[in-house]
Amino acid sequence: GAGVSQSPSNKVTEKGKDVELRCDPISGHTALYWYRQSLGQGLEFLIYFQGNSAPDKSGLPSDRFSAERTGGSVSTLTIQRTQQEDSAVYLCASSLAFVSGNTEAFFGQGTRLTVV
Amino acid sequence: AQTVTQSQPEMSVQEAETVTLSCTYDTSESDYYLFWYKQPPSRQMILVIRQEAYKQQNATENRFSVNFQKAAKSFSLKISDSQLGDAAMYFCAYRSASAGGTSYGKLTFGQGTILTVHP
Repeated sequence: GAGVSQSPSNKVTEKGKDVELRCDPISGHTALYWYRQSLGQGLEFLIYFQGNSAPDKSGLPSDRFSAERTGGSVSTLTIQRTQQEDSAVYLCASSLAFVSGNTEAFFGQGTRLTVV
Repeated sequence: AQTVTQSQPEMSVQEAETVTLSCTYDTSESDYYLFWYKQPPSRQMILVIRQEAYKQQNATENRFSVNFQKAAKSFSLKISDSQLGDAAMYFCAYRSASAGGTSYGKLTFGQGTILTVHP
């Protein structure tokens, strides 16, 4: 596709259930980011994948959160035993390899997660 | 770790007027990039303008321009001739350009400024 694709667009889940959020980056983009945005708030960094390097997981809020990136392309963010405070919009972004001049990150439209 | 601060949670401007959004950042790096992103109600993040830290000249994109003060670690966005379509949440972002380590290329965002444009 032409842009970053995230699925599902909206997800309602019961407290305690596990959820998986998917991100399809732009083809050829080696950098991939996950952010969380609570209602009316800023972007909270979660995790960053850059090519074959070890991911920067410093933003994951707890061990209930994990993410993987298979084959350097699609990424899945998994939240186990969801809590109400996990309700937010989860945004994915991708960019080309970080070389001079290729610095723009392109965002998907996000997944709105509601935990009831 | 780098931090980005936007001290104005909300700003408003009259249509056709000029408004400036503030952003400061903290870093020990000398090489980095700075961005302003716009997020309208549709949630889609859109790049407005970018600035390379090694360039002294302030970036401009049509009605959008920045005032980049490297020593002060300040990066403000000026919107001239404001239009109703400029209403959105604006985010300032920092991207590390220092090679090595897991944070190379990482994007860090400020908390955002909600801009309202009055007709």
